[in-house]
Amino acid sequence: QAALTQPASVSESPGQSITISCTATSNDIFYIDYVSWYQQHLGNAPRLIFHNIGKRPSGVSYRFSASKSGNTASLLISDLQAEDEADYYCSSYTRSGTLVFGGGTKLTV
Amino acid sequence: QLQLQESGPGLVKPLETLSLTCTVSGDSVGTTDYYWGWIRQSPGRGLEWIGSVFYTGSPYYNPSLKSRVTVSLDMSKRQFSLELKSVTAADTAVYFCAQTGRGLLHFDWFAYWGQGSLVTVSS
Repeated sequence: QAALTQPASVSESPGQSITISCTATSNDIFYIDYVSWYQQHLGNAPRLIFHNIGKRPSGVSYRFSASKSGNTASLLISDLQAEDEADYYCSSYTRSGTLVFGGGTKLTV
Repeated sequence: QLQLQESGPGLVKPLETLSLTCTVSGDSVGTTDYYWGWIRQSPGRGLEWIGSVFYTGSPYYNPSLKSRVTVSLDMSKRQFSLELKSVTAADTAVYFCAQTGRGLLHFDWFAYWGQGSLVTVSS
């Protein structure tokens, strides 16, 4: 079982909002605020869209937001656009000093 | 603009060693502010962290790969490298090199990524 569990796929219509969850399977996976999110379009390298739970790098649309509550981190995308269609991965630096990724969520818009 | 570029053989025979190099341009590999790392993605699957190296050369490895992996840094060439020994078909993947944000305590997020290098393990 993956250390971080994400839904395999989600879909929503343009203009709507969607939340992608990322649930830690044990208490030592999420450590302090070391949770990040990546967007990966087909054939491309991953692109960082959030770090430290909800910190957005420059250039990332404000339609994207991220949060964490307990053992679940969440990525919210509002006003969905066609270009948001991609795979999304959460990751966490763990208490034991390793980096783990979720299995990824394929977003269809 | 920082750029990372992976290089190395695209085909490796089973039980041999996979070797990749990442060349960093636009910034100095010798700065004190970064970690560098290797992440792979098997065909049609998710991301897997392989290992990271700090500017001091201190390595950090995925426990599931630790016995076979070496990540090293060559500041003089602005490069860092990956060696994965005794490969099998399960190691066939796109291998990405990446650099963290600046001044981090840990390698918890990667801001810059190479385009990826497909390595196939086959005889």
